[in-house]
Amino acid sequence: GQQVMQIPQYQHVQEGEDFTTYCNSSTTLSNIQWYKQRPGGHPVFLIQLVKSGEVKKQKRLTFQFGEAKKNSSLHITATQTTDVGTYFCAGNQGGKLIFGQGTELSVKP
Amino acid sequence: ETGVTQSPTHLIKTRGQQVTLRCSSQSGHNTVSWYQQALGQGPQFIFQYYREEENGRGNFPPRFSGLQFPNYSSELNVNALELDDSALYLCASSGFNYGYTFGSGTRLTVV
Repeated sequence: GQQVMQIPQYQHVQEGEDFTTYCNSSTTLSNIQWYKQRPGGHPVFLIQLVKSGEVKKQKRLTFQFGEAKKNSSLHITATQTTDVGTYFCAGNQGGKLIFGQGTELSVKP
Repeated sequence: ETGVTQSPTHLIKTRGQQVTLRCSSQSGHNTVSWYQQALGQGPQFIFQYYREEENGRGNFPPRFSGLQFPNYSSELNVNALELDDSALYLCASSGFNYGYTFGSGTRLTVV
């Protein structure tokens, strides 16, 4: 079945450094979504990418969808302590969300 | 903040027992999905309901079953509980072409 792989599993950064997480799907996706889950919380929707090669920005967050619609990335510029949490990509196939394993981000002040 | 509410928040059950988890969807959302999230893992898709019918299922055994009601609320039932069923169970609702809104989850512990 469809698999979504996400790397790295953990990322520890100093506040102010940049952070990137990468997501790869074994199949072409109709769209991809990104979620953030704070420790002890639930996933919160960040964004959806639909078009091949699409790039979207939310303040310090930049999301990209690959040309083949099989990979995606999330880049955070100048991390802050409020960015702490686990970032998940989720591939949408027929309305079914397949989540990656997530990248846990910790930020040292 | 979230329009999706789940109950109970925590639950402890004994192996072999049955459990029912409940979810009230966000207003206007006619699709509900259930996910199982083990500690340190991403959410795993259990199944999805649209207009009271199951329209997608993940790799979970038949002892995981669900219902969606006319008001779009939903239940997840798990029979013959096993220790490995201990996890956070998340309900998510969605409307057409929107991201999923997750509830806060039910933390199930099977002992």
